[in-house]
Amino acid sequence: KQEVTQIPAALSVPEGENLVLNCSFTDSAIYNLQWFRQDPGKGLTSLLLIQSSQREQTSGRLNASLDKSSGRSTLYIAASQPGDSATYLCAVSHGSSNTGKLIFGQGTTLQVKP
Amino acid sequence: EAGVAQSPRYKIIEKRQSVAFWCNPISGHATLYWYQQILGQGPKLLIQFQNNGVVDDSQLPKDRFSAERLKGVDSTLKIQPAKLEDSAVYLCASSWWGETQYFGPGTRLLVL
Repeated sequence: KQEVTQIPAALSVPEGENLVLNCSFTDSAIYNLQWFRQDPGKGLTSLLLIQSSQREQTSGRLNASLDKSSGRSTLYIAASQPGDSATYLCAVSHGSSNTGKLIFGQGTTLQVKP
Repeated sequence: EAGVAQSPRYKIIEKRQSVAFWCNPISGHATLYWYQQILGQGPKLLIQFQNNGVVDDSQLPKDRFSAERLKGVDSTLKIQPAKLEDSAVYLCASSWWGETQYFGPGTRLLVL
């Protein structure tokens, strides 16, 4: 059974700091991995999607890496800003084909202090 | 492009009552998902539709939860009767098959 774990559960950093969020999964048979952002009272927004054959993806100040063999992914946020405060969720699409079914971690709640 | 719409946004009911949530996906998206997100946890897939057919409902508590997607567009998720542990945010998402999922704002349910 695929399980996804995110550490830490919460993180508070001063503005401008670079930070790393961690995600681990128990079964390396994934189709892709996504990082989402969730703001209070709102739905999820997809940030980055890494296919199983890829090692990393970048979007602006965000960089996500994937090490499928070790079952790990990291989300790197450069020069953090107060607007980055949100919950970040990691999700894997399990299996050899893309059925769309996502298995989520429990999220890391980030607070960036001005 | 309009996003995924959900209603109501909030609902408070007493245990053993019934409740229904509505979702209108992004136009043209054939795949629709319902997730349950309990406080402090990640979303858990309840049911996945492709057009008006069910693809996956393995985690749907079928003794009390039901869902339908008439005409392959809007969808309704119903809980009858509700239990205290059903308190959660119910998220609807839609996508092209296998593509990025777009999420609605969710319905926050509190069962007293």
